[in-house]
Amino acid sequence: NAGVMQNPRHLVRRRGQEARLRCSPMKGHSHVYWYRQLPEEGLKFMVYLQKENIIDESGMPKERFSAEFPKEGPSILRIQQVVRGDSAAYFCASSRGWDTANTEAFFGQGTRLTVV
Amino acid sequence: RKEVEQDPGPFNVPEGATVAFNCTYSNSASQSFFWYRQDCRKEPKLLMSVYSSGNEDGRFTAQLNRASQYISLLIRDSKLSDSATYLCVVRPTSGTYKYIFGTGTRLKVLA
Repeated sequence: NAGVMQNPRHLVRRRGQEARLRCSPMKGHSHVYWYRQLPEEGLKFMVYLQKENIIDESGMPKERFSAEFPKEGPSILRIQQVVRGDSAAYFCASSRGWDTANTEAFFGQGTRLTVV
Repeated sequence: RKEVEQDPGPFNVPEGATVAFNCTYSNSASQSFFWYRQDCRKEPKLLMSVYSSGNEDGRFTAQLNRASQYISLLIRDSKLSDSATYLCVVRPTSGTYKYIFGTGTRLKVLA
């Protein structure tokens, strides 16, 4: 039973390019969460999605960042016109749902984005 | 005030010691609580859920105090392999049920 799969594991982009990060949730999970972790900092919530719906994007920067979770295929976090400050580890997590107490979230191995 | 607060540490303890971490949360509507561990910038891994009555998993014991809005993690007989950052996680019932992470407490177990 595969866990949460993220790719690529490492991504290098030049300033101004686009970065696309992919996340396939665990089998049976329909909720996806994206977090960003800057060096020496904690995990910051970015966005929470269900299939074809953005539930909470309160942690997303207002510009250049977008996320989707289509009916078919992985969730995508897209960063347009990357800047050096976007360099971070981006983690995706998935869970079964929200209506069960102690529903646990499981994380992928992350994508480490470096902007040069 | 941060939604989830933890002492960043580091806690340096000898092998075999007992160590405890606390975490406070601000949203009284929080429903679910967890402890994760994170090693060397790898992905967070679920250590244990925290139940209202408290729960134990081997050397690890988690407690929840809803009245005071804090969660604790106790590690007995510390091993070198326990060295990691321990993340307290809260999931509110109000709003959108996102998982909110503390910044973590670093533990170093020394030989």
